[in-house]
Amino acid sequence: AQKITQTQPGMFVQEKEAVTLDCTYDTSDPSYGLFWYKQPSSGEMIFLIYQGSYDQQNATEGRYSLNFQKARKSANLVISASQLGDSAMYFCAMRPIVLGGSYIPTFGRGTSLIVHP
Amino acid sequence: KAGVTQTPRYLIKTRGQQVTLSCSPISGHRSVSWYQQTPGQGLQFLFEYFSETQRNKGNFPGRFSGRQFSNSRSEMNVSTLELGDSALYLCASSPGGSTSTDTQYFGPGTRLTVL
Repeated sequence: AQKITQTQPGMFVQEKEAVTLDCTYDTSDPSYGLFWYKQPSSGEMIFLIYQGSYDQQNATEGRYSLNFQKARKSANLVISASQLGDSAMYFCAMRPIVLGGSYIPTFGRGTSLIVHP
Repeated sequence: KAGVTQTPRYLIKTRGQQVTLSCSPISGHRSVSWYQQTPGQGLQFLFEYFSETQRNKGNFPGRFSGRQFSNSRSEMNVSTLELGDSALYLCASSPGGSTSTDTQYFGPGTRLTVL
């Protein structure tokens, strides 16, 4: 069984500072993908970044980067230069990589990020 | 490209009724997944449809069902509604394909309230 743990229910950061949101996972699948999503109060889940377990380099997408430490089973999201619009819930998710497309995705409980001016 | 659309956005039903939610994926996407999000259980995977066939299924009772049409649009049906079915139902689409590395793009959700 897969499990995603996000230990920080809430985080506060000052505008323009960097923040790290923690995510640890547990899986017996040899290959898997890790995702981060942002969910503003409007409810829509917005895809931020993807990391494959086989990727040698950490993924980056603009101000978002994923600090992937496979041996520690962690996939922390780093947001640089926080903006007020970054205030939202952030979810870490995982899916096994299986040929034929059969998979069950697992989501963490989320971290609420509030950016102060 | 237009994003994922879900209708209706808000719905109020009473216990015992049934409900149908609709999802239109991004043009060209063939996979549609459904999720239930509640404060108590978080985000849980319901099922995924690909090319009109259910490809994956989460751990939900048979009251929850879905289907996908030839244009990739999908519907989700919940029969005999219970109070616990009150939730935000999210639909996500992805290109689909032979592996599960697709990035999913979510719609705005349907907020279902069961009274």
